[in-house]
Amino acid sequence: QSALTQPASVSGSPGQSITISCTGSTSDVGSNNYVSWYQQHPGKSPKLVIYDVSNRPSGVSDRFSGSKSANTASLTISGLQTEDEADYYCSSYRPSTISWVFGGGTKVTVL
Amino acid sequence: QVQMVQSGVEVKEPGASVKVSCKASGYTFTEKGITWVRQAPGQGLECMGWINPHNGNTKYAEKFQGRVTMTTDTSTSTAYMELRSLRSDDTAVYYCAKEWAGWFDPWGQGTLVTVSS
Repeated sequence: QSALTQPASVSGSPGQSITISCTGSTSDVGSNNYVSWYQQHPGKSPKLVIYDVSNRPSGVSDRFSGSKSANTASLTISGLQTEDEADYYCSSYRPSTISWVFGGGTKVTVL
Repeated sequence: QVQMVQSGVEVKEPGASVKVSCKASGYTFTEKGITWVRQAPGQGLECMGWINPHNGNTKYAEKFQGRVTMTTDTSTSTAYMELRSLRSDDTAVYYCAKEWAGWFDPWGQGTLVTVSS
């Protein structure tokens, strides 16, 4: 069982927006802004798409955005494209154990 | 550009040890930590621990305490992860990643470790 809770799957049509939630606790997501999101295509390594809750690395499309409220972080993909079909994982720092925890992953399907 | 290149596929018998390497390039190796993450077949990501190449300090996830050792060789900008007493449920792809202040980027290509008799 993963430390952070994500929906197993989310789907949307091309051009639509979808949001993936990542629920933790006051020990991780709710205690700091070290929340990041990773995109993983089948057979590939994870790729950073959001860091520090809402920052986008250079080269990542501005269709990706992040936010956080209390113990839940969210990743929104707007203008959904077929290339966005992948697994997405959230991660948070957990200060009490000086460690990082991940969500179980969400499979995004473009209909 | 920054790259993390890992060693190749490993097949081990139960009870054996495996040592995976991760060679970093494109940045000053000692300026950031290296995190190791594994992914069992069809499963999610699991953080195993972290090492600071500058001073060798490590922090292992409780689950792997006593069974994992992370080291670095600053002369070759290479990080190593050794896992001992392998079991079938250690079969996974093992990734290294450059650790920034709370996020990981980039990741290595992954090393498949299969534990089977």
